[in-house]
Amino acid sequence: DAKTTQPPSMDCAEGRAANLPCNHSTISGNEYVYWYRQIHSQGPQYIIHGLKNNETNEMASLIITEDRKSSTLILPHATLRDTAVYYCIVSPTGGSQGNLIFGKGTKLSVKP
Amino acid sequence: KAGVTQTPRYLIKTRGQQVTLSCSPISGHRSVSWYQQTPGQGLQFLFEYFSETQRNKGNFPGRFSGRQFSNSRSEMNVSTLELGDSALYLCASSSGQIKETQYFGPGTRLLVL
Repeated sequence: DAKTTQPPSMDCAEGRAANLPCNHSTISGNEYVYWYRQIHSQGPQYIIHGLKNNETNEMASLIITEDRKSSTLILPHATLRDTAVYYCIVSPTGGSQGNLIFGKGTKLSVKP
Repeated sequence: KAGVTQTPRYLIKTRGQQVTLSCSPISGHRSVSWYQQTPGQGLQFLFEYFSETQRNKGNFPGRFSGRQFSNSRSEMNVSTLELGDSALYLCASSSGQIKETQYFGPGTRLLVL
């Protein structure tokens, strides 16, 4: 079973920031938080990952709470193309050995 | 750098037949993983190959098998197809090093009639 809990769906207005929460209260000390997204009928796409510090890349920012029990993925200026299912995954290996455990994710709908 | 490619993209088979799906990883990647995605069960891990050896395996019956070649290309085989095997089959590659992320292909959509 997935070790994360995410809201099933969220809406966001185009141009606004999308903040996607994830709870991972049983995360172990060696587990990273990974975010992937899947646009309809395509393969999942890696977004970002982190251990305990906040991370930022060209796609998004990842905020991890100090106790590491939850995190938030931030898309700073959402566009219609960001409409997708977003998966939060905790893993010690990042999927480098396969075996990523996907939950049901959050379906983000960006509306004009 | 070219991404992960999967062939064929779409496939229709009938119950009892077998099917072979192919995956070419990103150049230089030695790890290839396979996942099955269905509306009911979501994305589930099938198995992972690294340097021609199966390194990890999910909880699927023995009808699902795979192999990896010396050039890291991988094939997945499903024998005695069942209706429930209809799914999107995704391949992902990575360097295989710890904490390195996976990169997914577009998938092969299999329909079993």
